[in-house]
Amino acid sequence: EVQLVESGGALVKPGGSLRLSCATSGFSFNDAWMSWVRQAPGKGLEWVGRIKRKIDGGTTDFAAPVKGRFTISRDDSKDTLYLQMNSLKTEDTAVYYCTTDHSWGQGTLVTVSS
Amino acid sequence: QSVLTQPPSASGTPGQRVTISCSGSSSNIGNNNYVYWYQQLPGTAPKLLIYKNNQRPSGVPDRFSGSKSGTSASLAISGLRSEDEADYYCAAWDDSLSGRVFGGGTKLTVL
Repeated sequence: EVQLVESGGALVKPGGSLRLSCATSGFSFNDAWMSWVRQAPGKGLEWVGRIKRKIDGGTTDFAAPVKGRFTISRDDSKDTLYLQMNSLKTEDTAVYYCTTDHSWGQGTLVTVSS
Repeated sequence: QSVLTQPPSASGTPGQRVTISCSGSSSNIGNNNYVYWYQQLPGTAPKLLIYKNNQRPSGVPDRFSGSKSGTSASLAISGLRSEDEADYYCAAWDDSLSGRVFGGGTKLTVL
């Protein structure tokens, strides 16, 4: 059974940093392109970014609102995906999901507020 | 303003057939990029309904079907049931933005 479990969500002040993790199991993580998607309270889904598998270069792409502030990395030895978020803004408040585009985690809440 | 345009709401009675549209452009749906559809029940994570325009993952009832034509796509739900009441989102890769784009979501109400 495919499982994705996000963690690391918290309340953080504007300008702060946070790292989210997504532990996975049940599929070949090293073969998967992985993405982060967020959902602000009461709003729709917004793509944050993705990381390709290593044999495809392991490169990343990001949505304009987070480019330069967020980074995505992966540890294939731990089947884990990461989202490093820096210079956080109030508008980054959302539930953050990791996804293979097919399977989704349950999400972790990030609240940016003073 | 979402790159993919969906109607904000749709409704139907049990047993009816409803369709939800997703309008894009030549840089996403119209550029041979696959369309995905997700269902999100209240308080839960999105669930994949349709991938690669019209493919259903195992476990998704054949009441759900997807189609694509030109720069638009549609999700059809036949034999509407009360448990289909949810938010539905379309998604596709956008080559101009070099990113994935979602529709704004359609809230389906079963009357």
